Amino acid sequence: DGGITQSPKYLFRKEGQNVTLSCEQNLNHDAMYWYRQDPGQGLRLIYYSQIVNDFQKGDIAEGYSVSREKKESFPLTVTSAQKNPTAFYLCASSSPGTGGTDTQYFGPGTRLTVL
Amino acid sequence: AQSVAQPEDQVNVAEGNPLTVKCTYSVSGNPYLFWYVQYPNRGLQFLLKYITGDNLVKGSYGFEAEFNKSQTSFHLKKPSALVSDSALYFCAVRMGSNFNKFYFGSGTKLNVKP
Repeated sequence: DGGITQSPKYLFRKEGQNVTLSCEQNLNHDAMYWYRQDPGQGLRLIYYSQIVNDFQKGDIAEGYSVSREKKESFPLTVTSAQKNPTAFYLCASSSPGTGGTDTQYFGPGTRLTVL
Repeated sequence: AQSVAQPEDQVNVAEGNPLTVKCTYSVSGNPYLFWYVQYPNRGLQFLLKYITGDNLVKGSYGFEAEFNKSQTSFHLKKPSALVSDSALYFCAVRMGSNFNKFYFGSGTKLNVKP
Protein backbone atom coordinates (compact mmCIF):
# COMPACT_ATOMS: atom_id res chain seq x y z
CA ASP A 1 0.00 0.00 0.00
CA GLY A 2 1.19 3.50 -0.75
CA GLY A 3 0.94 6.06 1.97
CA ILE A 4 2.35 7.70 5.07
CA THR A 5 2.99 5.84 8.29
CA GLN A 6 3.59 7.35 11.71
CA SER A 7 4.78 5.58 14.80
CA PRO A 8 4.04 5.12 17.54
CA LYS A 9 0.32 5.84 17.63
CA TYR A 10 0.49 6.78 21.31
CA LEU A 11 3.57 8.07 23.13
CA PHE A 12 4.09 9.04 26.72
CA ARG A 13 6.92 11.29 27.82
CA LYS A 14 8.25 12.10 31.21
CA GLU A 15 9.29 15.62 32.09
CA GLY A 16 12.77 16.40 30.77
CA GLN A 17 12.88 13.62 28.20
CA ASN A 18 13.45 13.93 24.49
CA VAL A 19 11.24 11.76 22.30
CA THR A 20 11.31 11.06 18.57
CA LEU A 21 8.25 10.59 16.39
CA SER A 22 8.67 8.60 13.22
CA CYS A 23 7.22 9.49 9.81
CA GLU A 24 7.80 7.42 6.68
CA GLN A 25 6.28 7.81 3.21
CA ASN A 26 6.46 5.67 0.08
CA LEU A 27 4.69 8.14 -2.19
CA ASN A 28 7.97 9.42 -3.65
CA HIS A 29 7.06 12.91 -2.48
CA ASP A 30 9.76 15.55 -2.22
CA ALA A 31 8.16 17.68 0.51
CA MET A 32 7.31 16.57 4.03
CA TYR A 33 5.73 18.42 6.93
CA TRP A 34 5.08 18.21 10.64
CA TYR A 35 2.02 19.76 12.23
CA ARG A 36 0.81 20.04 15.76
CA GLN A 37 -2.92 19.86 16.45
CA ASP A 38 -4.48 21.21 19.63
CA PRO A 39 -8.22 21.35 20.31
CA GLY A 40 -9.84 24.40 18.77
CA GLN A 41 -6.64 25.62 17.14
CA GLY A 42 -6.50 23.69 13.93
CA LEU A 43 -3.11 22.64 12.59
CA ARG A 44 0.07 24.59 13.18
CA LEU A 45 3.20 24.02 11.12
CA ILE A 46 6.29 22.94 13.07
CA TYR A 47 8.84 22.16 10.35
CA TYR A 48 8.82 21.36 6.69
CA SER A 49 11.32 19.96 4.23
CA GLN A 50 11.26 20.45 0.50
CA ILE A 51 14.19 18.19 -0.30
CA VAL A 52 16.61 15.79 1.34
CA ASN A 53 19.11 17.42 3.71
CA ASP A 54 17.13 20.64 3.81
CA PHE A 55 14.37 21.84 6.12
CA GLN A 56 12.79 25.08 7.30
CA LYS A 57 11.15 26.21 10.51
CA GLY A 58 7.42 26.62 10.53
CA ASP A 59 5.37 28.80 12.84
CA ILE A 60 6.05 26.93 16.10
CA ALA A 61 9.50 25.33 15.75
CA GLU A 62 10.81 26.16 19.23
CA GLY A 63 11.47 23.03 21.24
CA TYR A 64 11.41 20.75 18.22
CA SER A 65 14.07 19.42 15.84
CA VAL A 66 13.98 17.42 12.61
CA SER A 67 16.27 15.70 10.14
CA ARG A 68 15.81 14.71 6.53
CA GLU A 69 18.55 12.25 5.63
CA LYS A 70 16.36 10.18 3.32
CA LYS A 71 13.56 11.16 1.00
CA GLU A 72 11.22 8.68 2.67
CA SER A 73 11.80 9.71 6.27
CA PHE A 74 11.25 12.88 8.30
CA PRO A 75 11.53 12.18 12.05
CA LEU A 76 10.52 14.81 14.59
CA THR A 77 12.21 15.10 17.98
CA VAL A 78 10.31 16.79 20.77
CA THR A 79 12.95 18.11 23.13
CA SER A 80 12.76 18.94 26.80
CA ALA A 81 12.76 22.61 25.75
CA GLN A 82 9.18 22.22 24.49
CA LYS A 83 7.23 23.20 27.59
CA ASN A 84 3.79 22.04 26.53
CA PRO A 85 4.26 19.08 24.20
CA THR A 86 0.99 17.26 24.87
CA ALA A 87 -0.78 17.28 21.49
CA PHE A 88 -1.66 15.29 18.41
CA TYR A 89 1.18 15.33 15.86
CA LEU A 90 0.53 14.91 12.17
CA CYS A 91 3.01 14.23 9.42
CA ALA A 92 2.21 15.02 5.80
CA SER A 93 3.85 14.92 2.41
CA SER A 94 3.28 16.47 -0.98
CA SER A 95 4.83 16.77 -4.37
CA PRO A 96 5.14 20.40 -5.40
CA GLY A 97 3.86 19.75 -8.89
CA THR A 98 3.32 22.55 -11.31
CA GLY A 99 2.63 25.77 -9.47
CA GLY A 100 1.89 23.95 -6.25
CA THR A 101 -1.21 22.15 -7.46
CA ASP A 102 -0.50 18.82 -5.84
CA THR A 103 -2.31 17.77 -2.71
CA GLN A 104 -0.90 17.24 0.75
CA TYR A 105 -1.47 13.77 2.21
CA PHE A 106 -1.46 12.96 5.91
CA GLY A 107 -0.37 10.14 8.15
CA PRO A 108 -2.61 8.75 10.92
CA GLY A 109 -0.97 10.83 13.65
CA THR A 110 0.83 10.31 16.95
CA ARG A 111 -0.73 11.37 20.22
CA LEU A 112 1.94 12.53 22.65
CA THR A 113 1.16 12.87 26.33
CA VAL A 114 3.46 14.26 28.98
CA LEU A 115 3.21 12.43 32.29
CA ALA B 1 -1.81 38.69 6.79
CA GLN B 2 -2.51 35.78 4.58
CA SER B 3 -4.87 33.30 6.18
CA VAL B 4 -7.91 31.13 6.00
CA ALA B 5 -10.88 31.35 8.39
CA GLN B 6 -13.70 29.03 9.32
CA PRO B 7 -16.23 31.22 11.12
CA GLU B 8 -18.27 28.38 12.65
CA ASP B 9 -16.85 26.08 15.30
CA GLN B 10 -19.79 23.73 14.88
CA VAL B 11 -22.53 23.07 12.36
CA ASN B 12 -25.59 20.99 13.17
CA VAL B 13 -27.80 19.53 10.46
CA ALA B 14 -30.43 16.82 10.22
CA GLU B 15 -29.77 13.76 8.10
CA GLY B 16 -31.08 14.23 4.58
CA ASN B 17 -30.84 18.02 4.71
CA PRO B 18 -28.27 20.02 2.75
CA LEU B 19 -25.16 21.11 4.59
CA THR B 20 -22.74 24.00 4.21
CA VAL B 21 -19.42 24.47 6.00
CA LYS B 22 -18.02 27.94 5.49
CA CYS B 23 -14.48 29.03 4.64
CA THR B 24 -13.09 32.43 3.74
CA TYR B 25 -9.56 33.25 2.73
CA SER B 26 -7.23 36.19 2.59
CA VAL B 27 -4.24 35.71 0.31
CA SER B 28 -2.39 37.69 -2.28
CA GLY B 29 -2.47 36.29 -5.77
CA ASN B 30 -4.50 33.32 -6.87
CA PRO B 31 -5.30 30.90 -4.06
CA TYR B 32 -5.05 27.15 -4.16
CA LEU B 33 -7.78 25.95 -1.80
CA PHE B 34 -8.40 22.58 -0.22
CA TRP B 35 -10.92 20.82 2.03
CA TYR B 36 -9.99 17.98 4.35
CA VAL B 37 -12.00 15.82 6.75
CA GLN B 38 -10.77 14.34 10.01
CA TYR B 39 -12.38 11.53 11.98
CA PRO B 40 -11.51 11.12 15.68
CA ASN B 41 -7.88 10.22 16.34
CA ARG B 42 -7.13 9.99 12.64
CA GLY B 43 -5.12 11.94 10.12
CA LEU B 44 -6.72 14.32 7.65
CA GLN B 45 -8.28 12.95 4.48
CA PHE B 46 -8.35 14.98 1.29
CA LEU B 47 -11.84 15.83 -0.03
CA LEU B 48 -11.37 18.27 -2.87
CA LYS B 49 -9.36 21.22 -4.16
CA TYR B 50 -9.72 24.31 -6.29
CA ILE B 51 -6.82 25.31 -8.48
CA THR B 52 -8.37 27.02 -11.49
CA GLY B 53 -11.28 26.70 -13.89
CA ASP B 54 -14.86 25.87 -12.94
CA ASN B 55 -15.86 27.52 -9.67
CA LEU B 56 -17.83 24.46 -8.58
CA VAL B 57 -15.51 21.65 -7.58
CA LYS B 58 -16.74 18.12 -6.94
CA GLY B 59 -14.93 15.81 -4.55
CA SER B 60 -15.12 12.62 -2.56
CA TYR B 61 -18.21 11.24 -0.77
CA GLY B 62 -20.62 13.55 -2.63
CA PHE B 63 -19.08 16.77 -1.35
CA GLU B 64 -18.60 19.84 -3.49
CA ALA B 65 -17.29 23.33 -2.93
CA GLU B 66 -17.90 26.64 -4.60
CA PHE B 67 -15.08 29.10 -5.14
CA ASN B 68 -16.27 32.71 -5.03
CA LYS B 69 -13.52 35.17 -5.82
CA SER B 70 -15.51 38.32 -5.11
CA GLN B 71 -16.49 37.07 -1.66
CA THR B 72 -13.13 35.31 -1.10
CA SER B 73 -14.96 32.20 -0.02
CA PHE B 74 -14.70 28.47 -0.61
CA HIS B 75 -17.71 26.91 1.15
CA LEU B 76 -18.07 23.14 1.36
CA LYS B 77 -21.50 21.74 0.49
CA LYS B 78 -23.42 18.51 0.23
CA PRO B 79 -27.01 18.21 -1.01
CA SER B 80 -28.04 15.52 1.47
CA ALA B 81 -26.15 14.94 4.72
CA LEU B 82 -25.46 11.50 6.19
CA VAL B 83 -24.87 10.66 9.85
CA SER B 84 -21.52 9.25 8.75
CA ASP B 85 -20.51 12.74 7.54
CA SER B 86 -20.16 13.80 11.17
CA ALA B 87 -16.51 14.77 11.57
CA LEU B 88 -14.12 17.72 11.77
CA TYR B 89 -13.64 19.64 8.53
CA PHE B 90 -10.65 21.81 7.66
CA CYS B 91 -10.23 24.35 4.93
CA ALA B 92 -6.66 25.02 3.79
CA VAL B 93 -4.84 27.33 1.42
CA ARG B 94 -1.54 26.58 -0.23
CA MET B 95 0.85 29.50 -0.53
CA GLY B 96 4.45 30.52 -0.24
CA SER B 97 7.13 31.55 -2.66
CA ASN B 98 7.14 28.06 -4.10
CA PHE B 99 3.76 26.89 -2.86
CA ASN B 100 5.17 24.57 -0.25
CA LYS B 101 3.31 25.92 2.75
CA PHE B 102 -0.24 25.11 3.68
CA TYR B 103 -2.28 27.16 6.15
CA PHE B 104 -5.28 25.57 7.81
CA GLY B 105 -8.43 27.01 9.28
CA SER B 106 -9.33 26.19 12.86
CA GLY B 107 -11.76 23.51 11.83
CA THR B 108 -15.55 23.09 11.92
CA LYS B 109 -17.20 20.21 13.68
CA LEU B 110 -20.11 18.88 11.65
CA ASN B 111 -22.83 17.07 13.56
CA VAL B 112 -25.43 15.23 11.48
CA LYS B 113 -28.35 13.99 13.54
CA PRO B 114 -30.64 11.14 12.49
